[in-house]
Amino acid sequence: DTGVSQDPRHKITKRGQNVTFRCDPISEHNRLYWYRQTLGQGPEFLTYFQNEAQLEKSRLLSDRFSAERPKGSFSTLEIQRTEQGDSAMYLCASSQPDGNEKLFFGSGTQLSVL
Amino acid sequence: AQSVTQPDIHITVSEGASLELRCNYSYGATPYLFWYVQSPGQGLQLLLKYFSGDTLVQGIKGFEAEFKRSQSSFNLRKPSVHWSDAAEYFCAVDQGAQKLVFGQGTRLTINP
Repeated sequence: DTGVSQDPRHKITKRGQNVTFRCDPISEHNRLYWYRQTLGQGPEFLTYFQNEAQLEKSRLLSDRFSAERPKGSFSTLEIQRTEQGDSAMYLCASSQPDGNEKLFFGSGTQLSVL
Repeated sequence: AQSVTQPDIHITVSEGASLELRCNYSYGATPYLFWYVQSPGQGLQLLLKYFSGDTLVQGIKGFEAEFKRSQSSFNLRKPSVHWSDAAEYFCAVDQGAQKLVFGQGTRLTINP
C-alpha cells in the first residue's frame, strides 16, 4: 500500500500562469476527492469523482479550475490564469464506498502564486 | 448549511497531562463525525469517527471522543499526552458521500 501520492509537493508560479497537479489514489479506491486548505483553516471540499465520473463540484471551484480523472485512476487538477488568492495547499484523498467512510489523504501540493 | 466550530485555535498542555479539544457542529440529521490529525508536512490522518451507536468512540493513539447530541458536541480527549501528539487537530462532519466540512483546527503544543 503506497498510500495517496501527490505531485509536485511544492509549486511556485507567477500570477497568470497555468498549473497542473497530479494525484494518484490508493489503487483499489474508486472515489477521489480534491480539497483546498489555506493557512490557518481547515480543508474545504472542491470536487470528487467516482471512477471517471465527476459527481460534484463545490461553488469554490471557479471556471478557472478543472479536474479530470480520465481512466478512473489518477486525477489532475488544473488552475488556469492563477491568482494570488489561489495560494493554498491542495489535498487529494481517496476512499472505497464500503460503509467504512474512511478518507485517505495525500500530503498535498503547496501552491504559491507570486 | 452544515458547519463545524473548534473554539480553541491553540492549546498548550504539559506532557503527561490530560487533553480535551472541543468541537461543536451544526447538522440537521444524525451526523457522521470525524477527528483528523495533521502533522507538518504530513497528510491528514483519521483518529476516530462516529456514525451511530455507542456515543463514546475509541480511536488510534489512545484518543477517544464523546458524541453529545444535546450539546451538538464531539469533543476529543486523551488521558495523558505525549510530545509526539503535537500537531493540528481537525473536527469534521460528513455532508454525504464523504464530502467533509472541517473546523478551522486546533493547534496543540506540548510542553516538556
